[in-house]
Amino acid sequence: KNQVEQSPQSLIILEGKNCTLQCNYTVSPFSNLRWYKQDTGRGPVSLTIMTFSENTKSNGRYTATLDADTKQSSLHITASQLSDSASYICVVRRSGGYQKVTFGIGTKLQVIP
Amino acid sequence: DTEVTQTPKHLVMGMTNKKSLKCEQHMGHRAMYWYKQKAKKPPELMFVYSYEKLSINESVPSRFSPECPNSSLLNLHLHALQPEDSALYLCASSQIGRQGGTDTQYFGPGTRLTVL
Repeated sequence: KNQVEQSPQSLIILEGKNCTLQCNYTVSPFSNLRWYKQDTGRGPVSLTIMTFSENTKSNGRYTATLDADTKQSSLHITASQLSDSASYICVVRRSGGYQKVTFGIGTKLQVIP
Repeated sequence: DTEVTQTPKHLVMGMTNKKSLKCEQHMGHRAMYWYKQKAKKPPELMFVYSYEKLSINESVPSRFSPECPNSSLLNLHLHALQPEDSALYLCASSQIGRQGGTDTQYFGPGTRLTVL
């Protein structure tokens, strides 16, 4: 069964601190993995996209890693800001089934002053 | 222009009403999607249009009727909805690659629908 699991479900950190969000997947065959940021009541916004051959990709203070062998990905947020408070969703696409992706349930991050 | 727009932002309707949600993109994307998202849940795929033709219908009840009048527009017609249909409805679009694969899905801001 194609699944995407994320942890933790929720997280509260102090402004300026770093944090790491985890994503484990069983989607196969694998095509790519994306991390989205979703503010409450808004549509998701893409942060990074990673393919099989990529191990690390950065987008500002966001750094995503991918281990395709263990089917794990992480999203590291450096020097968190209040505006980072949002849900972070891991989305995995199968190769071949181009139109359908599998969403994780998301990690709700709250950054407090 | 990397924006997907959706109207209206908020919609309140009764169970006997007929309303429509609209989505528009001008990125030249030929795949467009409707998702439904309940609170604290990930988006659930409803419909996919490829080259203006319906390619995926995830067993959505007939009270939801999608329409893709052209490559830039996607509508979702609503009729006789139930209170449990209240949710955030998201539209997304993406490129279609040479081998049929799609790139990043760009999401609109969503329409918050409340059915009374």
